[in-house]
Amino acid sequence: EAGVAQSPRYKIIEKRQSVAFWCNPISGHATLYWYQQILGQGPKLLIQFQNNGVVDDSQLPKDRFSAERLKGVDSTLKIQPAKLEDSAVYLCASINLRDTPRGEQFFGPGTRLTVL
Amino acid sequence: AQKITQTQPGMFVQEKEAVTLDCTYDTSDQSYGLFWYKQPSSGEMIFLIYQGSYDEQNATEGRYSLNFQKARKSANLVISASQLGDSAMYFCAMREINFNKFYFGSGTKLNVKP
Repeated sequence: EAGVAQSPRYKIIEKRQSVAFWCNPISGHATLYWYQQILGQGPKLLIQFQNNGVVDDSQLPKDRFSAERLKGVDSTLKIQPAKLEDSAVYLCASINLRDTPRGEQFFGPGTRLTVL
Repeated sequence: AQKITQTQPGMFVQEKEAVTLDCTYDTSDQSYGLFWYKQPSSGEMIFLIYQGSYDEQNATEGRYSLNFQKARKSANLVISASQLGDSAMYFCAMREINFNKFYFGSGTKLNVKP
């Protein structure tokens, strides 16, 4: 079984530019999460999808961040325009309660964003 | 309010010794799940161990065990016989069952000394 895929792995941009990240969860995983992890901190939830619907986006800075999961499979997270404080690792995770009722999250390798 | 508190930013342990990483949580739910993840310097999050709120026995997975004290709302991770490869960040997390929302602590950086 393939794991959670994310791309790109690394991205360097200048402030005020835009950037997009892609995530493909494990096949059949209905719930998808995007987290922001600033160096030395724990992951902070940005948005949670159930299939193609948003469950929680209360901590998503909606003036600059957007995310979609149009067909309920892969997802994109966009930042426009980026700020210096957006430098972080962006983690994608998914769960499938039918196969793993404990609900442990499966994480992708992350995208490390550096904003200069 | 913090849902998950990890009070040890950094810990050192001698190789082959046991170490306990602390985690306390805050919830008014009766049903919840507690997880520990390991994050090596390479960045991937690796699931280690799970404890359900109704589980009466402490969870164990190989060298990992979870010291679950429900009344105190603590879920400490115990690593026995530490190895050099255990050096990493360790995160405690809680799952709210109703909405499948997860909360993570700030992590503990464990360094295993040879």
